[in-house]
Amino acid sequence: EAGVAQSPRYKIIEKRQSVAFWCNPISGHATLYWYQQILGQGPKLLIQFQNNGVVDDSQLPKDRFSAERLKGVDSTLKIQPAKLEDSAVYLCASSYAPGELFFGEGSRLTVL
Amino acid sequence: GNSVTQMEGPVTLSEEAFLTINCTYTATGYPSLFWYVQYPGEGLQLLLKATKADDKGSNKGFEATYRKETTSFHLEKGSVQVSDSAVYFCALMRGGSEKLVFGKGTKLTVNP
Repeated sequence: EAGVAQSPRYKIIEKRQSVAFWCNPISGHATLYWYQQILGQGPKLLIQFQNNGVVDDSQLPKDRFSAERLKGVDSTLKIQPAKLEDSAVYLCASSYAPGELFFGEGSRLTVL
Repeated sequence: GNSVTQMEGPVTLSEEAFLTINCTYTATGYPSLFWYVQYPGEGLQLLLKATKADDKGSNKGFEATYRKETTSFHLEKGSVQVSDSAVYFCALMRGGSEKLVFGKGTKLTVNP
C-alpha cells in the first residue's frame, strides 16, 4: 500500500515570497490533515478536511495560509507571503479512523 | 484547553534497559490517548492507543495504560533496542473530535 506522498521535501525561500506544498493521501482515506511542526515542538494542526470540505481551520493563519483539497483527494497548502516564523516542517496526514493518522515524510521549509 | 505534557528529553539508554517516558494530559471530557513514533528520516506513525480509562495499549513491546485518576499515559518498554531510537510523541483526541493534540516529543537514543 502506498503511503502519504508529499512534495517538495525541502524548500528554501526568502521572506515575502510564496510557496506551495502538495500532498497525495492514501487511497480511500476521507480525512486529510495539514500540521505544522516547528523545531523542538510537537505537530500543530493547521487544517483538517473531510473529503473536500473543511472540518477545522481554526489555527490556520488565514491572512497568509490557504489550503484546498481537490475532488476530495490531493491537497495543496500555500503560504503567501512567507514570514521567518513560518520556517517549519509541514506534515500531511490522512486517516480512515479517528486518531489513527498516517503521516507523510514532511516538507521542510526554510524562510530566510 | 486540551494539552499534553511530556517529559523533557533527550533520553539516552543502554540496550536492554527499561524505558519510561512520562505523559500527562489536560482535557475536558474523556479523550482518547495515543503514542506516535518518528524514526529518523521517516514520518510519524501510530505506536499504540487507548480509548477509555484503564485501557492498556500495546505494540512492539511498548505499553501504556490510560490512568484517569492521574491523567497520565506513560509509555514503557521492558528492554529497549538500538532500533527503538526515535522521537516519541504523546497525543490526545477529545471525544467528539478528530483533532489530535500532540506533546512536544521526547527523543530517545539507545546505545549498544
